[in-house]
Amino acid sequence: GQQVMQIPQYQHVQEGEDFTTYCNSSTTLSNIQWYKQRPGGHPVFLIQLVKSGEVKKQKRLTFQFGEAKKNSSLHITATQTTDVGTYFCASSSNTGKLIFGQGTTLQVKP
Amino acid sequence: ETGVTQTPRHLVMGMTNKKSLKCEQHLGHNAMYWYKQSAKKPLELMFVYNFKEQTENNSVPSRFSPECPNSSHLFLHLHTLQPEDSALYLCASSQTLASAGQFFGPGTRLTVL
Repeated sequence: GQQVMQIPQYQHVQEGEDFTTYCNSSTTLSNIQWYKQRPGGHPVFLIQLVKSGEVKKQKRLTFQFGEAKKNSSLHITATQTTDVGTYFCASSSNTGKLIFGQGTTLQVKP
Repeated sequence: ETGVTQTPRHLVMGMTNKKSLKCEQHLGHNAMYWYKQSAKKPLELMFVYNFKEQTENNSVPSRFSPECPNSSHLFLHLHTLQPEDSALYLCASSQTLASAGQFFGPGTRLTVL
């Protein structure tokens, strides 16, 4: 079945440094969604990408969908302590089945 | 955020107990979902409901029994669980099955003794 692999599993950065998490699939994805889960919290939807090569920005966050629609990345510029949490990529089908990656847990040292 | 609520927030039960988890969404969505989140494992989809009808059962053991009486409410009935069923159980909803993004509730932290 469809699998979505996410790396790295953990990332520790100094506040102000950049951070990137990558999501890869062996099959072409119809879309890619990104979620953030704060420690002790629940996943919160950030964005969805559907087009080949699509790039979207939300303040310091930049989301990319690969040209072949098999990979995606989330880049955070100049991390802040409020960015701490686990970032998940996920891909959905039109049946509502959402397949999640393992997540990347970001720690930011002040 | 109070769009999707879940009760109880924490539950401790023995393996012979029967309990139910409740989820309610106040967003007017038509699709609802149950997920299991265990330590060191990706979020696992358990069940999908669309307009009260179950459309997906992701090979979930029969000791988990979902119920969706209407588009706003979703239950997960639990009986004879195992310690390895201890996890965070998350409910989510979306406008339709194909909508961009699902809205998650705060979850029920379940411990099976």
